Amino acid sequence: DIQMTQSPSTLSASVGDRVTITCRASQSISSWLAWYQQKPGKAPKLLIHKASSLESGVPSRFSGSGSGTEFTLTISSLQPDDFATYYCQQYNSYSRTFGQGTKVEIK
Amino acid sequence: EVQLVESGGGLVKPGGSLRLSCAASGFVFSSYSMNWVRQAPGKGLEWVSSISSSGSYTHYADSVEGRFTISRDNAKNSLYLQMNSLRAEDTAVYYCAKDLLNYSPDGSDIWGQGTVVTVSS
Repeated sequence: DIQMTQSPSTLSASVGDRVTITCRASQSISSWLAWYQQKPGKAPKLLIHKASSLESGVPSRFSGSGSGTEFTLTISSLQPDDFATYYCQQYNSYSRTFGQGTKVEIK
Repeated sequence: EVQLVESGGGLVKPGGSLRLSCAASGFVFSSYSMNWVRQAPGKGLEWVSSISSSGSYTHYADSVEGRFTISRDNAKNSLYLQMNSLRAEDTAVYYCAKDLLNYSPDGSDIWGQGTVVTVSS
């Protein structure tokens, strides 16, 4: 199975900061990667699909990049609503594994 | 409104069985692959199973292979997860989720609110 590793596990940042989260795949997944945001007690929300395509309705401060085995999610200017946990998910293989998550906390 | 609503969760003893349901509305259910994803208390997301739009193809995580069965009834706009031989480590919130696209695998754009499964004696 393809393993997905996110870093960091926790990130402390301030409103207005530029934030970058990395996701690495154990083998090439081309661009078959999605990013989600999850807040406590809520279902995940799709932010990015196909590594860099912004889901409809998602603010443009979110962007995704990468291909192969290394991917990044960037928030250009962190807003109060962005404090949450972020997950990557690969769907290159039938087993659609998630990364372990990155919690973005208030600094 | 596009919506997924899960039901069927509850408390079950180790070794027991449970059947989860997910009712879909607001989109052409029969056109999309569907998924089950779970989240153990305080833990991250874990993909559990996927099923193709027709129901012909199913896939499972190693952790549930042979114990869980995913199915769908397109006439009833419903997705199911039959869970047998349940273990304590299956305790989680179970979400159903719809694929974004109807012609290739992609991320999941619509999620249910989740149903809680607790496996305990």
